Amino acid sequence: NAGVTQTPKFQVLKTGQSMTLQCAQDMNHEYMSWYRQDPGMGLRLIHYSVGAGITDQGEVPNGYNVSRSTTEDFPLRLLSAAPSQTSVYFCASSGPMGSSYNEQFFGPGTRLTVL
Amino acid sequence: RKEVEQDPGPFNVPEGATVAFNCTYSNSASQSFFWYRQDCRKEPKLLMSVYSSGNEDGRFTAQLNRASQYISLLIRDSKLSDSATYLCVVNSGGFKTIFGAGTRLFVKA
Repeated sequence: NAGVTQTPKFQVLKTGQSMTLQCAQDMNHEYMSWYRQDPGMGLRLIHYSVGAGITDQGEVPNGYNVSRSTTEDFPLRLLSAAPSQTSVYFCASSGPMGSSYNEQFFGPGTRLTVL
Repeated sequence: RKEVEQDPGPFNVPEGATVAFNCTYSNSASQSFFWYRQDCRKEPKLLMSVYSSGNEDGRFTAQLNRASQYISLLIRDSKLSDSATYLCVVNSGGFKTIFGAGTRLFVKA
């Protein structure tokens, strides 16, 4: 199993550009999520999905869109990049969600710089 | 006030030392607690869950104090390979998971 994969590893954008960060998992996990990690802030949840066709907002959703057309893929779209979106982005997945937390498996991250 | 707070460190310790990290959380309804480890420029990985009665995994011991709303991680006989950032994670049920900003540990030879 490849686990959780993310592309690209690095990206530089100019203000106003749009792009999509790709995330895929091969563990048949229902739950997938996107986080951003900034110095001194910890990981903050952007969007999450509990299954194909179902997505919801996390703590910091503004400026980002997601979709979940398949169980495996969960792309994150930046609509109009801003310098404040310079960050490291992690995608994560976990198994069936019940009332308790399941271990989250993270991808290797995408380092994004917006000039 | 942050929902989950950790001392950012860094903690600089010699090999073989014992080191302890604390983490406080503000939501008294929090249900599940974890420590994740994150190596430099890598993704976080689960280190261990934290149970009410305390639990041990080799050189690592985790404790939970619900009354005071803090969890701790004790590392005994530190190794060079323990150098990393340790993230405190608190879950309040379902998708409400909060990550602390992390505590950096450097173990020196």
